[in-house]
Amino acid sequence: DSGVTQTPKHLITATGQRVTLRCSPRSGDLSVYWYQQSLDQGLQFLIHYYNGEERAKGNILERFSAQQFPDLHSELNLSSLELGDSALYFCASSVAETNYGYTFGSGTRLTVV
Amino acid sequence: AQSVTQPDIHITVSEGASLELRCNYSYGATPYLFWYVQSPGQGLQLLLKYFSGDTLVQGIKGFEAEFKRSQSSFNLRKPSVHWSDAAEYFCAVGARGGSYIPTFGRGTSLIVHP
Repeated sequence: DSGVTQTPKHLITATGQRVTLRCSPRSGDLSVYWYQQSLDQGLQFLIHYYNGEERAKGNILERFSAQQFPDLHSELNLSSLELGDSALYFCASSVAETNYGYTFGSGTRLTVV
Repeated sequence: AQSVTQPDIHITVSEGASLELRCNYSYGATPYLFWYVQSPGQGLQLLLKYFSGDTLVQGIKGFEAEFKRSQSSFNLRKPSVHWSDAAEYFCAVGARGGSYIPTFGRGTSLIVHP
């Protein structure tokens, strides 16, 4: 157990739907990062939050959004889902605002049918 | 922007043999360098990292990596591989200041034969 908790572990949904993925960072970590992992794109950075504020954006689609709450947990919202959004979504956390090594959760596998 | 290449998609070794996984990076200065391991169905786990100082870095699970500035490389090594080391290995490079989000390589899949 890495200390980073992601729920749900698996999610199957239909095209056009909206889902929310949840991440609780390791105790004491203030940064949360979201990544998408797929066979064709590899590991792609989506977005970074530090202590409730957005700090960096990567290849995140406009259909996707995220936030970090006062208790530091984070949610990634994916809407108008397409087949191509099927992937593993990872959350990672770190104590610092910049990266000195992440702790990853075990991921949410999203399947869009 | 930084980039990282892991030239080997798959590596097959016998249990007990030595291992070297290659990682080459492109960055204008000395980067931050990381190796992560991903077991099936799991998230990535940090094996080791290089920020500065000694270019030979020791990590967990008996792994080490050597930063070679002249070759822009950060290869991962282990003297004797165990069957439980079978996994996907990712090298990552991060910039100092500015865009600090690391770029990950595409990964090398390690297969261990008994």
